[in-house]
Amino acid sequence: AQTVTQSQPEMSVQEAETVTLSCTYDTSESNYYLFWYKQPPSRQMILVIRQEAYKQQNATENRFSVNFQKAAKSFSLKISDSQLGDTAMYFCAFASYSGGGADGLTFGKGTHLIIQP
Amino acid sequence: GAVVSQHPSRVICKSGTSVKIECRSLDFQATTMFWYRQFPKKSLMLMATSNEGSKATYEQGVEKDKFLINHASLTLSTLTVTSAHPEDSSFYICSARDQLAKNIQYFGAGTRLSVL
Repeated sequence: AQTVTQSQPEMSVQEAETVTLSCTYDTSESNYYLFWYKQPPSRQMILVIRQEAYKQQNATENRFSVNFQKAAKSFSLKISDSQLGDTAMYFCAFASYSGGGADGLTFGKGTHLIIQP
Repeated sequence: GAVVSQHPSRVICKSGTSVKIECRSLDFQATTMFWYRQFPKKSLMLMATSNEGSKATYEQGVEKDKFLINHASLTLSTLTVTSAHPEDSSFYICSARDQLAKNIQYFGAGTRLSVL
């Protein structure tokens, strides 16, 4: 079974600063996917960024980027130029790969990110 | 982006009644959908994987007779909480895996179930 660990229950930074959220995972599989999801107070899960394990290049989506260290089983999220709208719970998630695609997600406990004005 | 509609958004029911929650992919086909449960201030836990035209696969510890799943078409999966009790009160969220972009799951807005 896979496990996902987020060691920062809460983080607070000033608007426009850069913040990094940590995530480590444990698996014996070689082919899998990793995700960061954002859950604002509305509780709608929003995909922030995804990474395929077989890709060495770190994924980037505008202000969001990851540092994927496969050997260390680490998958941190960096948010640059943070904005008030980034305030939310952030979940790191793991999915095994089956023939049909990504399986159901295993989530970490989440990090509550607060962006201060 | 892809849209997943989940209905109802909130339901209050009496203990012993059954409640059905619908999850629809509106602009893509999804042979596979997933059901999650989220307790207050907690993370999401995978309950089951719903496959179109076949039986659902339940995670360990999830009662299949309590949480009935039906996936009768490529765009609709339903979760029925049977004989609901107060301990079933929770936030239930579905997601649908895009048949074409198979590494992406799109989430519904969730259903808050309160059992009195």
